[in-house]
Amino acid sequence: AQKVTQAQTEISVVEKEDVTLDCVYETRDTTYYLFWYKQPPSGELVFLIRRNSFDEQNEISGRYSWNFQKSTSSFNFTITASQVVDSAVYFCALSLSFGGYNKLIFGAGTRLAVHP
Amino acid sequence: KAGVTQTPRYLIKTRGQQVTLSCSPISGHRSVSWYQQTPGQGLQFLFEYFSETQRNKGNFPGRFSGRQFSNSRSEMNVSTLELGDSALYLCASSLAVAGGNEQYFGPGTRLTVT
Repeated sequence: AQKVTQAQTEISVVEKEDVTLDCVYETRDTTYYLFWYKQPPSGELVFLIRRNSFDEQNEISGRYSWNFQKSTSSFNFTITASQVVDSAVYFCALSLSFGGYNKLIFGAGTRLAVHP
Repeated sequence: KAGVTQTPRYLIKTRGQQVTLSCSPISGHRSVSWYQQTPGQGLQFLFEYFSETQRNKGNFPGRFSGRQFSNSRSEMNVSTLELGDSALYLCASSLAVAGGNEQYFGPGTRLTVT
C-alpha cells in the first residue's frame, strides 16, 4: 500500500527562522512521483514541486529547497528565512506511474505559522 | 492563461438532497481529478477523468459520481447527501496523458450539509 506521513502537525516559528517540513512516504513501486503543495487560507492548493523517483538531486528555488533521499524514503522541504506570507498548510503527496495515473496520495499536512 | 475554475464556491444543502459541482480545467488540459478535503480524513482522491472516461476511482460510495464532457469540463454529483459529506471539494486539472503529472487545483467548492 502507498502512504505519506507528515509527522509534524503544526510548526510555529518567528520570521527569518529556517524551518524544515518532514515527509516520509511508502511505496513498493520503483517509479513514482513526489509533490509538495501549499494551501493558504484561501483554500486553493498551490503546486510547489514535483520530483520523480529517479532524480535524487536536491533542488533549490529561492528560499525553498527540497531534499529527496530514497534510502530513508523522505522528501523534506526547507524554507530559509521564513516570512509571514509562508504561513499556510503544506502537503506532501505521492503519485504512482502505472495504474495510479494522476491520483495523488496526500499526507495529513503540516500547518506552518510564521510570526512577525 | 485562466486557472481551474469551480462553481459554485459555496453551497448549503439539506440531508437527503443531491448536489452537482462543476469544474472547468485549464485550457488544453484533458485530465480532471476530484478530491474531498475534510478535517478528519484530510485530502482524499475521488476520481479522475480523461477524455470523457473515468480511469481511476477512490474509495467512496456509489453516491459519488462524476462525468466529463467533450470540452474537458467535469461535473461531480453527490446523491442522498449525508452530514459527513460536508467538505471542501477540490478539482485539479493536468495536461498530459501519463501519470505523475503536475496537477493544478481550483479554489474548491465548500459544501455544507445540514
